[in-house]
Amino acid sequence: SYELTQPPSVSVSPGQTARITCSGDALPKQYGHWYQQKPGQAPVLLLYKDSERPSGIPERFSGSTSGTTVTLTISGVQAEDEADYYCQSADSSGTYVVFGGGTKLTVL
Amino acid sequence: QITLKESGPTLVKPTQTLTLTCTFSGFSLSTSGVGVGWIRQPPGKALEWLALIYWNDGKRYSPSLKSRLTIPNDSSKNQVVLTMTNMDPVDTATYYCVHNYYSSSWGDYFDYWGQGTLVTVSS
Repeated sequence: SYELTQPPSVSVSPGQTARITCSGDALPKQYGHWYQQKPGQAPVLLLYKDSERPSGIPERFSGSTSGTTVTLTISGVQAEDEADYYCQSADSSGTYVVFGGGTKLTVL
Repeated sequence: QITLKESGPTLVKPTQTLTLTCTFSGFSLSTSGVGVGWIRQPPGKALEWLALIYWNDGKRYSPSLKSRLTIPNDSSKNQVVLTMTNMDPVDTATYYCVHNYYSSSWGDYFDYWGQGTLVTVSS
């Protein structure tokens, strides 16, 4: 079955830039989407179509894509950004939804 | 304002069938491009997509769980039901209902989520 691969954890100091990658063979064909989940809460859509921000999402969250990898970049990380981040996409046929394994962002 | 809320049992026994209901407001499942989906998350683990139903009555299921999942045809105008048969303790998870805006151009993504409901499978 198709998988999206994320690093289990990323650590960054406040004010620095955090980058979280998501790799998958179908990503050149399919968009990647990102979700933020804080403890005890439902996930929130952070970015869609690789880099589009829903209303209300701060500009410090941005996305990019290159080949088989999509990347979530958080510029000027704040303590409140400490959370789990999940990428989501589809298999090459676009039939099945797939989530990455999640990345825990720790703000040092 | 789009809202979704999951309801159903909090405890089921192994081998039983789980029936969850998603009650939503603020949108119509008859609107082109709209879908409602189910996603689950075992405690401390990652999100897992389960199923989707679309405005055109199309349905998709996770290939690994397809034989156990059903979204019945008789869901009401503002409710979507999910059934999962032969429940096992590994199915213990928080189950989320989500609003989906689909296009063949960008696929599926989930812009509104319910609060989730924790289902425990135990005898």
